[in-house]
Amino acid sequence: SQQGEEDPQALSIQEGENATMNCSYKTSINNLQWYRQNSGRGLVHLILIRSNEREKHSGRLRVTLDTSKKSSSLLITASRAADTASYFCATSYGGSQGNLIFGKGTKLSVKP
Amino acid sequence: EAGVAQSPRYKIIEKRQSVAFWCNPISGHATLYWYQQILGQGPKLLIQFQNNGVVDDSQLPKDRFSAERLKGVDSTLKIQPAKLEDSAVYLCASSLVEQYFGPGTRLTVT
Repeated sequence: SQQGEEDPQALSIQEGENATMNCSYKTSINNLQWYRQNSGRGLVHLILIRSNEREKHSGRLRVTLDTSKKSSSLLITASRAADTASYFCATSYGGSQGNLIFGKGTKLSVKP
Repeated sequence: EAGVAQSPRYKIIEKRQSVAFWCNPISGHATLYWYQQILGQGPKLLIQFQNNGVVDDSQLPKDRFSAERLKGVDSTLKIQPAKLEDSAVYLCASSLVEQYFGPGTRLTVT
């Protein structure tokens, strides 16, 4: 079964607005990662946050992690049409540093 | 730096036929992964190689799926015989730390 569950399943916003996606997971993790997948393209790694970190920034991306609630959020600020994609959280757990369990994803649509 | 290469990009076969996918990882990446992504879902790990040894194949349906990584570089994933529910995108990834994904092979089983 899949570890992460993203919320919402779909999100539609206007260019310039902020987009927030949430991810919940079930078991203790080593780290949590966010990926983007454009239509017809492979997955692109966006950001990794370790279990002992609470917040991380990368450009217009801000990721938070709350291990007590087993949840994470991805904020994309000042969204652009090019941000239109599916976003997945993936958790790495136990002794398997490399193995990732992906959620079902949030489909983000940014309208110009 | 060249990315992860996969071929073919698309494949349509009939059920009970066989199919093989090929992956060439990023040079120097010892770890290679195969994932299955069914439409509307996130990728699911099928098998992980470290060099040419299998690290994790717990979710590989071994009655019909097989994979190998000869010489610790390229890898092939085979399905024999295919079922309708195998229709999916098959993603290959390689890593030193962070995983880099190829464009995938979209398989349609009719």
